[in-house]
Amino acid sequence: QVQLVESGGGLVKPGGSLRLSCAASGFTFSDYYMSWIRQAPGKGLEWVAYSSSTGTTIDYADSVKGRFTISRDNTKSSLYLHMTSLRAEDTGVYYCATEQQLTAGFFQHWGQGTLVTVSS
Amino acid sequence: DIQMTQSPSALSASLGDRVTISCRASQSISTWLAWYQQKPGKAPKLLIYKASSLESGVPSRFSGSGSDTEFTLTISSLQPDDFATYYCQQYSSHSTFGQGTKVEIK
Repeated sequence: QVQLVESGGGLVKPGGSLRLSCAASGFTFSDYYMSWIRQAPGKGLEWVAYSSSTGTTIDYADSVKGRFTISRDNTKSSLYLHMTSLRAEDTGVYYCATEQQLTAGFFQHWGQGTLVTVSS
Repeated sequence: DIQMTQSPSALSASLGDRVTISCRASQSISTWLAWYQQKPGKAPKLLIYKASSLESGVPSRFSGSGSDTEFTLTISSLQPDDFATYYCQQYSSHSTFGQGTKVEIK
């Protein structure tokens, strides 16, 4: 069965950096677009970034553009999110999720999430 | 960016009730719309995609309809497991979510 396991969250000071990882199993990772989605405490869902199956096409929400970098290693079935210049408003649970094989779209499978807290 | 507006923000309903949640897009998204269910402390779960296609394993009491800018999620007979927050998501241009609808016990 599909499994997505996020890691790397934690407490970081404003202006700091953090790298999240998502380990995938149970499906052919290299066939699928993947995304990061976040949820601030008590708030709704916000799409953050996506990567095409090969990593050649990526896109970001305006709120993180220039600060976050999504990448993937298909040999390790892993997705990453490198976050820099972190702000208090970046606090929340970060989920990785599968999209579709040929395009970005809806999010079929989700990980359990990893909590990022930006605070001094 | 395409904005998604859900209504109501919250509702109270009883077991067995028919529940309807609406989602409106700020511009036409054809049928590029999905619905998710989220319970406290858990990841969202896909219910419906392409406006009306039921995800495998999701009970048939859930259904979706609509196109263009107006969409609806219907739960035909509310069950104890259905008390949760529901989100719509457009994937016509990038991806944006509605603000959520919390379904509570009456």
